[in-house]
Amino acid sequence: EAQVTQNPRYLITVTGKKLTVTCSQNMNHEYMSWYRQDPGLGLRQIYYSMNVEVTDKGDVPEGYKVSRKEKRNFPLILESPSPNQTSLYFCASSLRQGPSQAFFGQGTRLTVV
Amino acid sequence: KQEVTQIPAALSVPEGENLVLNCSFTDSAIYNLQWFRQDPGKGLTSLLLIQSSQREQTSGRLNASLDKSSGRSTLYIAASQPGDSATYLCAVRGGSEKLVFGKGTKLTVNP
Repeated sequence: EAQVTQNPRYLITVTGKKLTVTCSQNMNHEYMSWYRQDPGLGLRQIYYSMNVEVTDKGDVPEGYKVSRKEKRNFPLILESPSPNQTSLYFCASSLRQGPSQAFFGQGTRLTVV
Repeated sequence: KQEVTQIPAALSVPEGENLVLNCSFTDSAIYNLQWFRQDPGKGLTSLLLIQSSQREQTSGRLNASLDKSSGRSTLYIAASQPGDSATYLCAVRGGSEKLVFGKGTKLTVNP
């Protein structure tokens, strides 16, 4: 079954404690990206990757890092989380060609206290 | 910069009614447009994908249309049911490969 898998689904952490949210897809997609969703602001792109070892900033990259060492995985790293990073996070993947459907993970609800 | 607007922000209808959700976008140079459904605190479920060369797509009681030149899409839901209650999001994909989302329409279907 084609899917994007995120872990964990829920996470409560304290300010400054490094964390990683994993994302894996089984569709051999080149393009992967991370979004955060906040009330009143909608979904905003954090980082994206066009292929292995190719990553770039989205609209709201501050406070986040990513890596793309393998095609299937695209982890999101918060090296020093702060309360303003409390949000619902989504990973997505698609083929690189434009007319391609985007597939989303189930989301990670992160709370930073 | 692409901007996507969804109107109305919220909609409440009685069960059985046919309804239309609207989505507009500022840059017509898109690859495709995708409609999603999101239940509270949950993930995104893809409903319909319309390529830029297409005018509409249908799935069951859902029909989505696309008028690229005017920058508009509509999602038509026939014979609405309480189970259709959710937030509906539209997103467009352009040359940057990025999906740009609207803020959604929160639909409530009352029994």
